[in-house]
Amino acid sequence: TQLLEQSPQFLSIQEGENLTVYCNSSSVFSSLQWYRQEPGEGPVLLVTVVTGGEVKKLKRLTFQFGDARKDSSLHITAAQPGDTGLYLCAGVGGSNYKLTFGKGTLLTVNP
Amino acid sequence: DTAVSQTPKYLVTQMGNDKSIKCEQNLGHDTMYWYKQDSKKFLKIMFSYNNKELIINETVPNRFSPKSPDKAHLNLHINSLELGDSAVYFCASSQGLFYNEQFFGPGTRLTVL
Repeated sequence: TQLLEQSPQFLSIQEGENLTVYCNSSSVFSSLQWYRQEPGEGPVLLVTVVTGGEVKKLKRLTFQFGDARKDSSLHITAAQPGDTGLYLCAGVGGSNYKLTFGKGTLLTVNP
Repeated sequence: DTAVSQTPKYLVTQMGNDKSIKCEQNLGHDTMYWYKQDSKKFLKIMFSYNNKELIINETVPNRFSPKSPDKAHLNLHINSLELGDSAVYFCASSQGLFYNEQFFGPGTRLTVL
């Protein structure tokens, strides 16, 4: 069974601060995705990383896939209240391309 | 236009009842999924269908039965509801099995009393 551990589970910061969320596993994934979920809605895909060591940027968000494709990180620069939400990492693996989700990081950015 | 829609949005029912949740996608996708998100926000896959064929069936009680009448619809029927079934159920779709971007519906919050 492939498991993904996300940390921290909760994060409350002030507007303008930087933060990093981590997603770790002992399993290798063919790719890894990051989703953001807002209250009362379904998760929305932010990015997919495929190659070990890959770095992708989405405005103030930087995503990195570990060299061994077992871990990933999400870094947010100068966080804004609009970044508030539940951030979920999900690994793709197995013959049926199943998505395995981490338990999420609930981010609150205070004005 | 809503890409992935679910009905109902909220469902409150008594233990032992049978209920269904409907899902429709208008994206022309081949693959559809059901996920369960518990009170701690842990999202876990239950089923996936590709072109109406069952692909993934996780360790889910057989009280849960998915049905896909066509590629655009995937419904979930739950028999003999139990307290532990209370959760938010999400439907999702993707272009195909090999296309990993999944589009999620807004969720159905099921409360079993």
